[in-house]
Amino acid sequence: SQTIHQWPATLVQPVGSPLSLECTVEGTSNPNLYWYRQAAGRGLQLLFYSVGIGQISSEVPQNLSASRPQDRQFILSSKKLLLSDSGFYLCAWSVVGGTKNEKLFFGSGTQLSVL
Amino acid sequence: AQSVAQPEDQVNVAEGNPLTVKCTYSVSGNPYLFWYVQYPNRGLQFLLKYITGDNLVKGSYGFEAEFNKSQTSFHLKKPSALVSDSALYFCAVRDRTGANNLFFGTGTRLTVIP
Repeated sequence: SQTIHQWPATLVQPVGSPLSLECTVEGTSNPNLYWYRQAAGRGLQLLFYSVGIGQISSEVPQNLSASRPQDRQFILSSKKLLLSDSGFYLCAWSVVGGTKNEKLFFGSGTQLSVL
Repeated sequence: AQSVAQPEDQVNVAEGNPLTVKCTYSVSGNPYLFWYVQYPNRGLQFLLKYITGDNLVKGSYGFEAEFNKSQTSFHLKKPSALVSDSALYFCAVRDRTGANNLFFGTGTRLTVIP
């Protein structure tokens, strides 16, 4: 069966420090991968999605970047964190190549607090 | 552009009563529609989806949703609420012809009162 791992679960970082959140998927090949951010009391905002290795689409201009160095690995990064980067970050995957009615499978999330 | 609106930030319902969580959407063509649930400090879990066919879709944990094309709505319903249904519910939409991303609403917090 497929599983998605996301770590760390919680992270407290000072303003201006770098960030690296990692997400890996097991049990499937060539998935679509996504990074979402959920700000306090707000909905989910799509940050990045990837349909293959090295292929990253960004939905909103921001202080963050994403990379997909391996088929089932998706990394969210920042060189210098801002206070506004605080939030709950969720990684997700879906089947690629199928119809767009495929559901997303989410990781357990990372609660990032930038102080 | 795709968008989803969940007009209620909070819905309170007594245990055993029917519940409704509202969702309206906007897409350029025909939509794929989804409901997800988020329990405290956890990721999202898929509840149900509408693709085509019967407008009433049945999903996990006794939930169902009704697709109404004329009203562009996809309200989530359950005949009898449980305390364990208390969670944050998200409606989401994907355009059949657009990009592969999924747009979420702002979420509705459901509280079932014992």
